[in-house]
Amino acid sequence: DAGVIQSPRHEVTEMGQEVTLRCKPISGHDYLFWYRQTMMRGLELLIYFNNNVPIDDSGMPEDRFSAKMPNASFSTLKIQPSEPRDSAVYFCASSRASGNNEQFFGPGTRLTVL
Amino acid sequence: KNQVEQSPQSLIILEGKNCTLQCNYTVSPFSNLRWYKQDTGRGPVSLTIMTFSENTKSNGRYTATLDADTKQSSLHITASQLSDSASYICVVSETGGSYIPTFGRGTSLIVHP
Repeated sequence: DAGVIQSPRHEVTEMGQEVTLRCKPISGHDYLFWYRQTMMRGLELLIYFNNNVPIDDSGMPEDRFSAKMPNASFSTLKIQPSEPRDSAVYFCASSRASGNNEQFFGPGTRLTVL
Repeated sequence: KNQVEQSPQSLIILEGKNCTLQCNYTVSPFSNLRWYKQDTGRGPVSLTIMTFSENTKSNGRYTATLDADTKQSSLHITASQLSDSASYICVVSETGGSYIPTFGRGTSLIVHP
């Protein structure tokens, strides 16, 4: 398996533009997580899905953020409109529905909003 | 509120030396504790998992300890190598209820030649 795949790896955009981040989880994993990582706050959970259904989106900072998982092999995180304070590295992770709940992380998308 | 505190925030050591990273948590009821290693520009990768009944677990030059009574864990790195330079993140999960683990902010380790 290729692991969790994220695209793009880097994104530079201007304030006010729409940004869409993409994730392909590991095949057979039931859970998918979106995280944001900054130097100041570390890793923050934004939202997670179980069997394609959003379970907890309490970490989504504002209505400008939205996430979807139309099928078991694809998820998107959208920011509209983007702001400079959204600049961070966004990680997608997936895991099986097992007791040890190890999460496998993608390489991340580094987002810069000018 | 569940919290995971790591210390030190950053650490610089010379190649070949040993070091110990600390993790204190308030997560309850406790299920497991993981140490992740995050190389620069990459996502975190699990190094080891500790459950309630385990006190010590080794993974090569990495040894994790857990004291569930005091809610403390440590990660000891023996004979450090340049490739150990990374951020080490402590992650604690609770039993039942929420599936969401609690992440520490990590310790940044730099190993100099």
